Amino acid sequence: NAGVTQTPKFQVLKTGQSMTLQCAQDMNHNSMYWYRQDPGMGLRLIYYSASEGTTDKGEVPNGYNVSRLNKREFSLRLESAAPSQTSVYFCASSGRRQGASILGRGGYTFGSGTRLTVV
Amino acid sequence: QQQVKQSPQSLIVQKGGISIINCAYENTAFDYFPWYQQFPGKGPALLIAIRPDVSEKKEGRFTISFNKSAKQFSLHIMDSQPGDSATYFCAASYNYGQNFVFGPGTRLSVLP
Repeated sequence: NAGVTQTPKFQVLKTGQSMTLQCAQDMNHNSMYWYRQDPGMGLRLIYYSASEGTTDKGEVPNGYNVSRLNKREFSLRLESAAPSQTSVYFCASSGRRQGASILGRGGYTFGSGTRLTVV
Repeated sequence: QQQVKQSPQSLIVQKGGISIINCAYENTAFDYFPWYQQFPGKGPALLIAIRPDVSEKKEGRFTISFNKSAKQFSLHIMDSQPGDSATYFCAASYNYGQNFVFGPGTRLSVLP
């Protein structure tokens, strides 16, 4: 099925460890995003990539780096994990189909999330 | 202002009742207002969306009401069912649907 695939689904890290969260989409979308979700705070944008080859900071970028490897893949890296980074991370993609009207531009397609615990 | 405010934080409704969730925004440049539904352990999924040139959009039991002058929009779930129990997020964006700003979410519980 078409969609956004995130790996891993669960991860436990020790403070100071590093890891990379992987995301891939097969919908030929131009834009990809990384959000974190914390109780009572909704979804907060970490980084986004409007198109292949570009990345920009979102609302909460500190402690994270990203790589837009190609049009399909957008990874999120924690260089030195901290307990404050315990969260559920969602990757999303969006884009207009070629020839689609503005009315049909739609919203995001989200992955199923990565639950990260930093101890 | 990029913030989108959402209320209530949680909502309990009896089966068959109407669920109403409200959102408000400040940035008049926003031009697309979707609602997302999230079940536990899953990512949010687009439920219904509206542009500010219409005041209402209905899809099945779900209706968005939009008040441009008040900068408010709401989600109405008619004949609420236990399967509607989920967290609902309103959102807003501009620039052709990129970089959505999300509300904090409303946890809906529909009692059987």
